[in-house]
Amino acid sequence: EDQVTQSPEALRLQEGESSSLNCSYTVSGLRGLFWYRQDPGKGPEFLFTLYSAGEEKEKERLKATLTKKESFLHITAPKPEDSATYLCAVQATGANNLFFGTGTRLTVIP
Amino acid sequence: IAGITQAPTSQILAAGRRMTLRCTQDMRHNAMYWYRQDLGLGLRLIHYSNTAGTTGKGEVPDGYSVSRANTDDFPLTLASAVPSQTSVYFCASRVTSGYNEQFFGPGTRLTVL
Repeated sequence: EDQVTQSPEALRLQEGESSSLNCSYTVSGLRGLFWYRQDPGKGPEFLFTLYSAGEEKEKERLKATLTKKESFLHITAPKPEDSATYLCAVQATGANNLFFGTGTRLTVIP
Repeated sequence: IAGITQAPTSQILAAGRRMTLRCTQDMRHNAMYWYRQDLGLGLRLIHYSNTAGTTGKGEVPDGYSVSRANTDDFPLTLASAVPSQTSVYFCASRVTSGYNEQFFGPGTRLTVL
């Protein structure tokens, strides 16, 4: 059964304090791993797709990496506007739907 | 419009009433999805449609039905609402060839009393 576990559940950082969010997954065959950002009261906003172990993608202060068992979302020198819930999801081979983790709620304090 | 729209934004509904949540996309995506999001449980798939005229059941389909008469619209119907269907509902869509990411609408907050 597909499973996605995100940690920590919540994270408070000072502005400029870099850190990483973890997404551990179990899937029969990985077609893709997705990171989304969700602001309160809004729908998830797509950030990255990773397809194979060793792949990395960057966008501004965010960098996503992928291994065979987990993905990390690294946040470098975060700003208060990076505060949001970050969701990880996997798509299994042969499936067209996503299976989501419960998210990490990030708060960046000025 | 550009993207996905959902209506209503929020709704309070008496138990036993029928309710249809609307979803429209203008990106000509062939696949569409309905999720519910509950605290501590994350997003769970209710129903999906790979193309107009076809639908399928997701992880939590009981009590919900969908139809896909055309590419743009994917309504979700609660035939007889129950309090456990209180949730935030998100519609999503994607192109099924090439790019795999799903794009989400702004959500409908539904409260069943």
